[in-house]
Amino acid sequence: DAGVIQSPRHEVTEMGQEVTLRCKPISGHNSLFWYRQTMMRGLELLIYFNNNVPIDDSGMPEDRFSAKMPNASFSTLKIQPSEPRDSAVYFCASRPESGYEQYFGPGTRLTVT
Amino acid sequence: RKEVEQDPGPFNVPEGATVAFNCTYSNSASQSFFWYRQDCRKEPKLLMSVYSSGNEDGRFTAQLNRASQYISLLIRDSKLSDSATYLCVVGPSNTGNQFYFGTGTSLTVIP
Repeated sequence: DAGVIQSPRHEVTEMGQEVTLRCKPISGHNSLFWYRQTMMRGLELLIYFNNNVPIDDSGMPEDRFSAKMPNASFSTLKIQPSEPRDSAVYFCASRPESGYEQYFGPGTRLTVT
Repeated sequence: RKEVEQDPGPFNVPEGATVAFNCTYSNSASQSFFWYRQDCRKEPKLLMSVYSSGNEDGRFTAQLNRASQYISLLIRDSKLSDSATYLCVVGPSNTGNQFYFGTGTSLTVIP
């Protein structure tokens, strides 16, 4: 069975550029989470969706960040414009309705220079 | 105050040793508790859930103390393959659906 799929796996971009991260959750899972992980702050929840609807986006750092989930099998996290402090590993995770375990994708390692 | 706090370590222990990690949480209404394991440059994966009565899975034992709002993970007979970062996870509560991750405790098992 395919797990959570994220792309790209690595992204290097210059400050000011737009960055789009993509996630395909596990089929049948109805909750999707976007996290950011840094050494200093650990794993931070940015936003989560339930049945494609954003439920809690209080973790989104600022207006430069936006997330969408147009259907049950696809979500994007966009940063525009990107800044060096956005450098981190961004994880997407999904969870089935019937359980608490979150299944994480392999992450996107973002470097903004 | 952070929702979940862990001692970051690092813990460096010899093979065969017993090691314990603690984690405290701030929301007394939290209902679910977990330990996740994260290998270097990999994604977190569920290690075990933590139940009120305590639970054991092989060499791993998890405990929950609701009165003091902490959970613990005990690893017996440490193996080299146990080297990883262990993340404490808490949530949700009756005030929200969110899960909160600790920053992780780093363990290195030395031959």
